[in-house]
Amino acid sequence: KAGVTQTPRYLIKTRGQQVTLSCSPISGHRSVSWYQQTPGQGLQFLFEYFSETQRNKGNFPGRFSGRQFSNSRSEMNVSTLELGDSALYLCASSLAGDIKAFFGQGTRLTVV
Amino acid sequence: DAKTTQPNSMESNEEEPVHLPCNHSTISGTDYIHWYRQLPSQGPEYVIHGLTSNVNNRMASLAIAEDRKSSTLILHRATLRDAAVYYCILRYNNNDMRFGAGTRLTVKP
Repeated sequence: KAGVTQTPRYLIKTRGQQVTLSCSPISGHRSVSWYQQTPGQGLQFLFEYFSETQRNKGNFPGRFSGRQFSNSRSEMNVSTLELGDSALYLCASSLAGDIKAFFGQGTRLTVV
Repeated sequence: DAKTTQPNSMESNEEEPVHLPCNHSTISGTDYIHWYRQLPSQGPEYVIHGLTSNVNNRMASLAIAEDRKSSTLILHRATLRDAAVYYCILRYNNNDMRFGAGTRLTVKP
């Protein structure tokens, strides 16, 4: 069974640009969550999607958004990139109602 | 949100048991106690979870205090591959996990 797949693995963007990251959950998993990890703030919850609906949202500005498709694949978008958005972005998936989450290897975003 | 407190770092010798403590004095009755670990250059990995009773699986054991205000993750025989950051998280049936700083475990050969 394939694990959680995140693409791309590495990305370099310029301040002011926007970026879209993709997450393919484990087959059959309907819940997808996104996290930002930085050395200073650690792992922070961004949002969770379940059956194409945002179910929870962390404390991030509106520049951070996401969506989930009918096949449970999810994308997150960051607009008007700032240097502080440089981070490892992690995606986690789980079965509906299951409290065990599986994480991908992340996308390393560098904003220059 | 209920918070957890863990030591910043711990050291262990290879093949010895490791006890990683976690304090969660504001835990509510419906919060599960979860442990995840993050190896270098990897996403977090589920280790174990429990509610009230002690739990065992192939990776580790979880000992939960009777008042549930603290718990201990037990690695029975640490290996070099167990070197990671270990996170103790309180969670109620959703994927909004609030990670703390975790405990960085160093395993010495």
